Amino acid sequence: DTAVSQTPKYLVTQMGNDKSIKCEQNLGHDTMYWYKQDSKKFLKIMFSYNNKELIINETVPNRFSPKSPDKAHLNLHINSLELGDSAVYFCASSQDVTQREQFFGPGTRLTVL
Amino acid sequence: DQQVKQNSPSLSVQEGRISILNCDYTNSMFDYFLWYKKYPAEGPTFLISISSIKDKNEDGRFTVFLNKSAKHLSLHIVPSQPGDSAVYFCAASEGYGGSQGNLIFGKGTKLSVKP
Repeated sequence: DTAVSQTPKYLVTQMGNDKSIKCEQNLGHDTMYWYKQDSKKFLKIMFSYNNKELIINETVPNRFSPKSPDKAHLNLHINSLELGDSAVYFCASSQDVTQREQFFGPGTRLTVL
Repeated sequence: DQQVKQNSPSLSVQEGRISILNCDYTNSMFDYFLWYKKYPAEGPTFLISISSIKDKNEDGRFTVFLNKSAKHLSLHIVPSQPGDSAVYFCAASEGYGGSQGNLIFGKGTKLSVKP
């Protein structure tokens, strides 16, 4: 009955590889988000999609590309991985763009070697 | 430039006592504030929120106070329980033009409640 799920939970990969993280929510929400929690523990928003449309795109390298096949899914593709991409990535969702309460997934710990 | 600051990285409290977690912000355009609780290896869980039109919001053992003039909010947990031991994040957002969902988080305060 997980509300927001992410796969995989852990991802270890080499520099230069391309990887994807998947996110699904079964809450019927319209809006989904990707956050990055870096080594300093700051949680920072990366992207936001509302009904499959991009609405927030913070300053993120274009190696990161979100894809939303439907409003229940928001996947994150990362090309040419770098050491600095190592972090925990959290997916979240909210009822719609006006609702501030967001529901988070369990996170994906990405380690780039 | 941190817009949301939680200056205490950790707090230790005895079970049954009050826990007070503090948060300061710099952006006067923030109009909504939230507290999230996070256990290790899990995602943040929404705890309580407050709109800038209020100065207090209460939900069971949890109360959030907002002092707009001081740009300060605090979370009170009474009584504290060992299960409250977690990292608590303060977050804020602006209420216009699709920015509502852009939550700006503090760095978190690790609360330890000792039996």
